[in-house]
Amino acid sequence: NAGVTQTPKFQVLKTGQSMTLQCAQDMNHNSMYWYRQDPGMGLRLIYYSASEGTTDKGEVPNGYNVSRLNKREFSLRLESAAPSQTSVYFCASSEGTGGRTTGELFFGEGSRLTVL
Amino acid sequence: AQSVTQLGSHVSVSEGALVLLRCNYSSSVPPYLFWYVQYPNQGLQLLLKYTSAATLVKGINGFEAEFKKSETSFHLTKPSAHMSDAAEYFCAVRPPRGFTGGGNKLTFGTGTQLKVEL
Repeated sequence: NAGVTQTPKFQVLKTGQSMTLQCAQDMNHNSMYWYRQDPGMGLRLIYYSASEGTTDKGEVPNGYNVSRLNKREFSLRLESAAPSQTSVYFCASSEGTGGRTTGELFFGEGSRLTVL
Repeated sequence: AQSVTQLGSHVSVSEGALVLLRCNYSSSVPPYLFWYVQYPNQGLQLLLKYTSAATLVKGINGFEAEFKKSETSFHLTKPSAHMSDAAEYFCAVRPPRGFTGGGNKLTFGTGTQLKVEL
């Protein structure tokens, strides 16, 4: 019953360092997402991948890049971390966004990132 | 573009009292609506969803929500609060199936923290 798995769960970076957050799902879902959660702001979409081979910007993409490695895996990269990127990052997946799907999201447990 | 507004960032109720968490949506077409719950240090878990079938939707843990088009609302209720209900609750919206404008991604509200007191 793994569902959506994120690594690492915690990370501390210095300003300017780079890192990649990994996400994998075992539900054979087509779509995957990266959100960030900040106090009082809810969840904001960073990037998403509607299907394998495609990626699109969300609401707050600046400072991030993504890679849809295969159908299971979707990674988020911070090339030069900034303190404003201190947040909790959630990966999610869904069957897809068209056809008979409702777009219900299944979430990982989150990755807590601190940038000093 | 679609959006949801959650009224009240913090709600406090006594154990056994009615829980009412408010969510109003903005959409040009009747959307799909969701309520998620987040317990401390965990990811979000689906409570219930409205996808244009019955307007009264029942979810897990005794929660339910009613879609009211005239009020553009989808408030979450539970008749009797339990200590284990203390968590953060998020309302989310997306366009209905088949609607091609504006994308099909979920947009979340800012969340309501529910506190349950003895």
